[in-house]
Amino acid sequence: DTGVSQDPRHKITKRGQNVTFRCDPISEHNRLYWYRQTLGQGPEFLTYFQNEAQLEKSRLLSDRFSAERPKGSFSTLEIQRTEQGDSAMYLCASSQGGQNYEQYFGPGTRLTVT
Amino acid sequence: AQSVAQPEDQVKVAEGNPLTVKCTYSVSGNPYLFWYVQYPNRGLQFLLKYITGDNLVKGSYGFEAEFNKSQTSFHLKKPSALVSDSALYFCAVRDRRSYIPTFGRGTSLIVHP
Repeated sequence: DTGVSQDPRHKITKRGQNVTFRCDPISEHNRLYWYRQTLGQGPEFLTYFQNEAQLEKSRLLSDRFSAERPKGSFSTLEIQRTEQGDSAMYLCASSQGGQNYEQYFGPGTRLTVT
Repeated sequence: AQSVAQPEDQVKVAEGNPLTVKCTYSVSGNPYLFWYVQYPNRGLQFLLKYITGDNLVKGSYGFEAEFNKSQTSFHLKKPSALVSDSALYFCAVRDRRSYIPTFGRGTSLIVHP
């Protein structure tokens, strides 16, 4: 399968711990997006990359959230000092360049902070 | 600012009947509009998009959507629903100057036999 993959699929952590999630996009896609989805809501945009450049990060939820895409391929999303309110599904999506392309989503990483 | 409204949390239809899932949007200028479907424990899957041209857009699995600029709507439709269409449906809008989409809250479609 050559779709978007995310690892891990589930993460349970204690409050105050740091967590890191990985996303591998479709190989020919140069845009990569991170979203958060909570129950009963649609995906909420967090940040996106074009190749290795992070073009929008003002919507990361706090300075505890950071993302990287060091070689323009896979990306990581890190949450430091997790809080119970961080519990959610974290989605990654990728798309081709250009304005009118749709996004392809991974299965998500479900984070539970206890 | 851009926004999307999906006014129905849930839509129930009988198998074989036509279905409509509503979406209205607000955006500066002309929009890009998308529909995605989410099955349980799966990621969102792209269904169809409106970019320009014909207001009636056809997509995957027999779905279609009609762009109505005057009503700022992009309702999802299917002539004959299947039980397997039961899922969560998300409408999304994007300003043509931005790469950042805004998603609606989603509508749960239930197709009963």
